[in-house]
Amino acid sequence: AQSVAQPEDQVNVAEGNPLTVKCTYSVSGNPYLFWYVQYPNRGLQFLLKYITGDNLVKGSYGFEAEFNKSQTSFHLKKPSALVSDSALYFCAVRDDTNAGKSTFGDGTTLTVKP
Amino acid sequence: DTGVSQDPRHKITKRGQNVTFRCDPISEHNRLYWYRQTLGQGPEFLTYFQNEAQLEKSRLLSDRFSAERPKGSFSTLEIQRTEQGDSAMYLCASSKGRTEAYEQYFGPGTRLTVT
Repeated sequence: AQSVAQPEDQVNVAEGNPLTVKCTYSVSGNPYLFWYVQYPNRGLQFLLKYITGDNLVKGSYGFEAEFNKSQTSFHLKKPSALVSDSALYFCAVRDDTNAGKSTFGDGTTLTVKP
Repeated sequence: DTGVSQDPRHKITKRGQNVTFRCDPISEHNRLYWYRQTLGQGPEFLTYFQNEAQLEKSRLLSDRFSAERPKGSFSTLEIQRTEQGDSAMYLCASSKGRTEAYEQYFGPGTRLTVT
């Protein structure tokens, strides 16, 4: 079985400060990890993914995420938050032995205050 | 716009009625997925297709739910004898390629309200 946990329902940061949105996962095989963002009244949009290789992956809008196999984590980060980053963020995992199915976390609402 | 489209965007129906939703994926994408999302939760996997073949169906999915993807193009999701618990946002996504490494592109969703 595969699962994803986003331990924080809400993250609040001030504009210009670094942000971290946490994600931990559990899979049987090797994980494929994804971050998606959902803006109000918009569909989910892909941000970045880890498949293999470098543990630090870079994605859209200046976001990056670090894969940590020993801690089974894939935290989303950005060095300097913008008010426009305020949105709902979802972490998702696929297991390379469980073809097709993605499991999503329950989401973290990020609020960046000016 | 060549993204994933879903129709209708909103559907209100009475308990016991049947409903059908349509999803048009990005044209070159082989895989198509259906998810259900309720308030405060992430998308929950329902089923997915590789071209026209339905390869996996969630064990949580009632027999009242059925999905098709004729000719590997658009897909339909039908819910028979709707119940109030079926009220949710139904999301469709597509991805290219035949492996799990590809990201998914999501449509805007169909919001179902069962009264």
